[in-house]
Amino acid sequence: EAGVAQSPRYKIIEKRQSVAFWCNPISGHATLYWYQQILGQGPKLLIQFQNNGVVDDSQLPKDRFSAERLKGVDSTLKIQPAKLEDSAVYLCASSLVFRGGGTDTQYFGPGTRLTVL
Amino acid sequence: GENVEQHPSTLSVQEGDSAVIKCTYSDSASNYFPWYKQELGKGPQLIIDIRSNVGEKKDQRIAVTLNKTAKHFSLHITETQPEDSAVYFCAANLDSSYKLIFGSGTRLLVRP
Repeated sequence: EAGVAQSPRYKIIEKRQSVAFWCNPISGHATLYWYQQILGQGPKLLIQFQNNGVVDDSQLPKDRFSAERLKGVDSTLKIQPAKLEDSAVYLCASSLVFRGGGTDTQYFGPGTRLTVL
Repeated sequence: GENVEQHPSTLSVQEGDSAVIKCTYSDSASNYFPWYKQELGKGPQLIIDIRSNVGEKKDQRIAVTLNKTAKHFSLHITETQPEDSAVYFCAANLDSSYKLIFGSGTRLLVRP
């Protein structure tokens, strides 16, 4: 079974530029998550999708970050304009189902390492 | 807000020895506690998880214990091997939901 795919693996941009990340979840997984992992810290949830609908985006800085999941499969996360503090690894994860009374195993992709200069 | 504290931040053990990593959580409604291993340049990989209806779970050299009263859980790795060297993260779900709160990580080094 193929895992979660992400691209690009690395990206270097200047501050105030735009950047986009792509994620393809495990086949059949209805739930997709985007996390931000700053160096030396644990992952922090940015947004969660159930199929193509947003379940939770309370931690997403909506003035500069946006995400979409068209057709309930692939997803893109965009930052516009980027700031120095956005330097981090952006992880995508997916899980099979969404259970309101609990949680299902989340499988992570390799991440995209973003450096903002 | 709710948080998960993880200790120690770094741990160095001799090959063959045991390693123990401890986490405490603040949300009494948490009922799912996964542990992830993250190697350099890779995403976190689930190694074991436990739900609140059990106190202990074991998978070969890895075990997790949960004390709901004290709100802490621990990862135990026995007979450590150099390939166990990585960063380990604990997590707890927020308010019995899907949302995971991660600890700050433990860098484990197994010396040959």
